[in-house]
Amino acid sequence: GEDVEQSLFLSVREGDSSVINCTYTDSSSTYLYWYKQEPGAGLQLLTYIFSNMDMKQDQRLTVLLNKKDKHLSLRIADTQTGDSAIYFCAESLNSGNTPLVFGKGTRLSVIA
Amino acid sequence: GAVVSQHPSRVICKSGTSVKIECRSLDFQATTMFWYRQFPKQSLMLMATSNEGSKATYEQGVEKDKFLINHASLTLSTLTVTSAHPEDSSFYICSASTRNSNQPQHFGDGTRLSIL
Repeated sequence: GEDVEQSLFLSVREGDSSVINCTYTDSSSTYLYWYKQEPGAGLQLLTYIFSNMDMKQDQRLTVLLNKKDKHLSLRIADTQTGDSAIYFCAESLNSGNTPLVFGKGTRLSVIA
Repeated sequence: GAVVSQHPSRVICKSGTSVKIECRSLDFQATTMFWYRQFPKQSLMLMATSNEGSKATYEQGVEKDKFLINHASLTLSTLTVTSAHPEDSSFYICSASTRNSNQPQHFGDGTRLSIL
């Protein structure tokens, strides 16, 4: 079955880069996502990548996908205190018509 | 961008009460809506998939008579927690998608349900 794994915690200093890693098991996953959840709030879509892509960059965010190893990473450059949140990795077979399978989330703490 | 509105954002009520949560797509037609549940410090787990005009498909272990889902229009799905008990206290969040499967789902801001 589908499974998504993430490390639970990451602590970085303000201004450093953060790298959050994720592994998934379903080789037929077509779309992979990163969501951000702040305390008491819903999910904010940060970025997503199609499985035929290796990398996607959007301002401070860089997503790397290693399809062979089923490994996804999210790099946040120049991490700010406002980036402190829980980051969820998720996968789906296609974008809109199938539900997402989420990892347990990585809690990012940014130290000033 | 596409917006999904979820109401209410927070509910506190007594045990035995039924609670209705609404999920609306504000600027697109949501042919499919998903309902997830998130326990404290845990991930989101899919409860059910709702397609407009048809019965919802529930995940294993989710009681369909307990969690009533209605998707009567292309912009609205509702989740009713019937006769809620303290163990139903959780964060409920919906997402919506269109027929265009190349677009990502959009999530509501969630509803925090607390049953006393």
